[in-house]
Amino acid sequence: DGGITQSPKYLFRKEGQNVTLSCEQNLNHDAMYWYRQDPGQGLRLIYYSQIVNDFQKGDIAEGYSVSREKKESFPLTVTSAQKNPTAFYLCASSIGGNTIYFGEGSWLTVV
Amino acid sequence: DQQVKQNSPSLSVQEGRISILNCDYTNSMFDYFLWYKKYPAEGPTFLISISSIKDKNEDGRFTVFLNKSAKHLSLHIVPSQPGDSAVYFCAASGRSTYGGSQGNLIFGKGTKLSVKP
Repeated sequence: DGGITQSPKYLFRKEGQNVTLSCEQNLNHDAMYWYRQDPGQGLRLIYYSQIVNDFQKGDIAEGYSVSREKKESFPLTVTSAQKNPTAFYLCASSIGGNTIYFGEGSWLTVV
Repeated sequence: DQQVKQNSPSLSVQEGRISILNCDYTNSMFDYFLWYKKYPAEGPTFLISISSIKDKNEDGRFTVFLNKSAKHLSLHIVPSQPGDSAVYFCAASGRSTYGGSQGNLIFGKGTKLSVKP
């Protein structure tokens, strides 16, 4: 089945650690996105990539990094510079139209 | 400054009645609007969309209305069912979004719909 797979579903990070969230899609979509959701807030764009080997910052890119070496993969690294990383992270993709399809999400908690 | 606003954080409706979820936007350059439905701890799922050249789009129990002059859209669910209980996000995109990149959506904060049996 085609879809967007995020892993892990739950992740715990210690203070000062970098962690990487995986996102893989087999939909042959060109564009991929990372969003963050906090309680009582809408989805906020962290980074997006319209094509392989290219990506741009979204609204809240500070403390995050991404790579897009393959069309299918868009991993997100939450660095120690991100001061408030505890949140629900959503990966998404689209084929150039405006409809964006989301993965199941990953919970990140700082311990 | 919020470009997409959902001013009602929650809405409670009786099963079988109509649910009306509202969304306002400020950017006149938006040309495409979407509604997403989200259950807890899951990714949002696409529900219905409307282009700015239309004022209504219908898909089964879901209808989206767009009033461009008022910069307002609404999602109607008729009849409402308990399984519709979820958070509904309004989203918009347009030529000026994030420097003109197509497909990048701006989301509202969501409205939590509760449909009571």
